[in-house]
Amino acid sequence: DVKVTQSSRYLVKRTGEKVFLECVQDMDHENMFWYRQDPGLGLRLIYFSYDVKMKEKGDIPEGYSVSREKKERFSLILESASTNQTSMYLCASSLGTHWDGYTFGSGTRLTVV
Amino acid sequence: AQRVTQPEKLLSVFKGAPVELKCNYSYSGSPELFWYVQYSRQRLQLLLRHISRESIKGFTADLNKGETSFHLKKPFAQEEDSAMYYCASDRGSTLGRLYFGRGTQLTVWP
Repeated sequence: DVKVTQSSRYLVKRTGEKVFLECVQDMDHENMFWYRQDPGLGLRLIYFSYDVKMKEKGDIPEGYSVSREKKERFSLILESASTNQTSMYLCASSLGTHWDGYTFGSGTRLTVV
Repeated sequence: AQRVTQPEKLLSVFKGAPVELKCNYSYSGSPELFWYVQYSRQRLQLLLRHISRESIKGFTADLNKGETSFHLKKPFAQEEDSAMYYCASDRGSTLGRLYFGRGTQLTVWP
């Protein structure tokens, strides 16, 4: 019973391409998050959203944008992919109060060549 | 500045030995604290949270406000405990975001 679905498990893109990473959750969660996961650096927050059409910058938003047109869908956009954006991208969602913690997607491994 | 610190990048123990994964936080208020685990080729999942004071898979974690620590402990490690462990804090955030440490890779040898 997958609850947070990331559309692609692996992606390979060329430098300069515009890249869309999609995330869908079926738990009616208010909050959604995009992290990147790099060895030795842990999880770093890129953007998050606590409501439809709302977005907040995380710690490393440069080079990224997001879209949340519907409650269940949160998209991460790389406007012009660069090699330093090669990483594992994790989507997560949570209720308005985060006492239950996050539910994570399985991740998208993006390689920019 | 690192808000959640996991000082050990790698930790190895033998099966049956006690294990302690360290986590320190730098927030002076009363944050909520969590431990997440990622087994090989699986998604990141919640292991336990401070507020529920529960024991999951034999792991416990006690909040020590004096030392600002939330160390994860298990008295007898098992091979299936081998995974990446992340400590996380909300730092009192009302927006539901969590701050993660850099993670500790635990290996339990047979």
